[in-house]
Formats: sequence, structure tokens, C-alpha cells
Amino acid sequence: GAVVSQHPSWVICKSGTSVKIECRSLDFQATTMFWYRQFPKQSLMLMATSNEGSKATYEQGVEKDKFLINHASLTLSTLTVTSAHPEDSSFYICSAESGTGNTEAFFGQGTRLTVV
Amino acid sequence: DAKTTQPPSMDCAEGRAANLPCNHSTISGNEYVYWYRQIHSQGPQYIIHGLKNNETNEMASLIITEDRKSSTLILPHATLRDTAVYYCIVRPFYGQNFVFGPGTRLSVLP
Repeated sequence: GAVVSQHPSWVICKSGTSVKIECRSLDFQATTMFWYRQFPKQSLMLMATSNEGSKATYEQGVEKDKFLINHASLTLSTLTVTSAHPEDSSFYICSAESGTGNTEAFFGQGTRLTVV
Repeated sequence: DAKTTQPPSMDCAEGRAANLPCNHSTISGNEYVYWYRQIHSQGPQYIIHGLKNNETNEMASLIITEDRKSSTLILPHATLRDTAVYYCIVRPFYGQNFVFGPGTRLSVLP
């Protein structure tokens, strides 16, 4: 199947700093990418929908100024956690879709963020 | 909220078939049934999806009831590496996000 790659796989940062997570579709063009967050022992929760060339749509309760999403090309979307705090520590996962019709979405391997 | 309900956990003996049920009684006519699984600390992995016909691929089979209100994912010969959380999701069309419920934690036992 298609490949979606996230980088980094894990990151530790100090409180107050910013962290950028990249999501790349390696062998297809993704007009839509989704960003999810998963806390321990919980399911994935959608944070935002990212469409290439336009502003992301954020879910209720997700601060758009704190979680900056850029989808500048058909193969790359980035999530920047600004002024990170320990409560932002989580597993962040992106997904991307390749085309029209009811295709499957492909997920990245996830990024484990720990804010200390 | 997720539109599906699944048992929270199941056990299966290694080498036996694992049958994971899912109820989606409010499914709409244009919604597909998707199955993903998540192995600890990894992103979800696509397994299979279908609309109303049964589907089979190299990983699993998907059996959808005629009224489409429930489905069963079948792993024909479960291995220890199939231990994961399995998510059943209904979604209408491309471009809509997946809504994840708690899923079923499948433990394959030696």
C-alpha cells in the first residue's frame, strides 16, 4: 500500500519551545491530510483537517494558534506545536488520502512528543 | 462520536481464526465499513474495507450482513503479531476524517 512517513518518530523538548512534525506522502499526492492526537490508553482524536493550499480546519477545543498546520504541497503537511507544555505530551499521528472515491487512508507511524 | 460498537477485548489462540464483530446499526447507504488496527506505539494500519459485499484480501476477510447493520472481520490464522487494537469505522466518502472509537483489543495467545 501507499506510504505515509512522519518525522521525527519521537522528540523530547523543553517546556516553552516549539516542535515541528512532518508528514509526507511518499508515493502519492495527498490533497487532504488529517492530524490526530492520542493520549495513553485512549483512542485517536482528530485535531484538524489540512487541505493543500488552504487553511486547516480545526476541531472544537483545538487551539489553532498553538497547533500550526501548513500543507504547502501535495506531499507534505507539517504540524508545529508552539510554546509546548507538559500537557501537550502525546502521540501525534497524521493520515493522508490519495485520490477521489472511497479509498483507504494511510497513516504515518506517529510521533511521540514528550515535553519536560 | 463513533457510529460503531465493538467488544472491548477478545482473546484468540494462535493459529485459530479470529472473528471480530462490529455493530453499525445506524449506517447510511453511502457509508463504507473500514477496519484498521493499531499495534502498540504505531500508527493505524489499513486492513480492509467494503460497502455491502463481502471482501477478502491477503490480510483478512470482511463479512457484512445483508442489512449492513453489522460486520465481522476475520483473521483466518491468527499469529502473535496480530495482537493489536482493531478499529471498525464507518465513513461516507473520501475526504472525511475517520472517527475512532475505543476498538477491540485482540490478544493472540500462544
